[in-house]
Amino acid sequence: KNEVEQSPQNLTAQEGEFITINCSYSVGISALHWLQQHPGGGIVSLFMLSSGKKKHGRLIATINIQEKHSSLHITASHPRDSAVYICAVSRVDSNYQLIWGAGTKLIIKP
Amino acid sequence: DAGVIQSPRHEVTEMGQEVTLRCKPISGHNSLFWYRQTMMRGLELLIYFNNNVPIDDSGMPEDRFSAKMPNASFSTLKIQPSEPRDSAVYFCASSLDELDTQYFGPGTRLTVL
Repeated sequence: KNEVEQSPQNLTAQEGEFITINCSYSVGISALHWLQQHPGGGIVSLFMLSSGKKKHGRLIATINIQEKHSSLHITASHPRDSAVYICAVSRVDSNYQLIWGAGTKLIIKP
Repeated sequence: DAGVIQSPRHEVTEMGQEVTLRCKPISGHNSLFWYRQTMMRGLELLIYFNNNVPIDDSGMPEDRFSAKMPNASFSTLKIQPSEPRDSAVYFCASSLDELDTQYFGPGTRLTVL
């Protein structure tokens, strides 16, 4: 079993829909990261969080440490949100070493 | 700030040639990471520097790979000799410290023929 599991693997939705991507992990962590990789290949860090909730524009990330689970939400989705969303965790015993999820490929249709 | 800068953006070379990838981290960042991304293996950490010192190079695949960070504003990843299986996208990332948001460069797409 992978230490970081994401679901769904693929998600197709219509423009305007509310999107949820889930991430579960099985190791002790210092922080959890959400990143976005566009079709062109560039990787952008969206959030780093260790508790609670963070919001940036239409993106919201939450984490439940007790349940070892995080969610990334996109409100009012837009075709430009189409990308691969990756969850990664920093291990508590090795802060710099990220354990990567497999990614969720999101397609938003106009 | 210009963000993390990598060069070249694309590199096509023949098997056996030496390849040098370059990275300029964000000014003031103490941590620098080299990653390799392939379809089969996803993102893999190759080497991690903190304050210009290599802390963890356990991800470097073999002796053909070497990395240096002579100063806080420059790092290189060298492959000598290159092989077709080295074809991948190589990312450099930097962060303020080891537990902080990592900022990625645009990547170098390497093709070894």
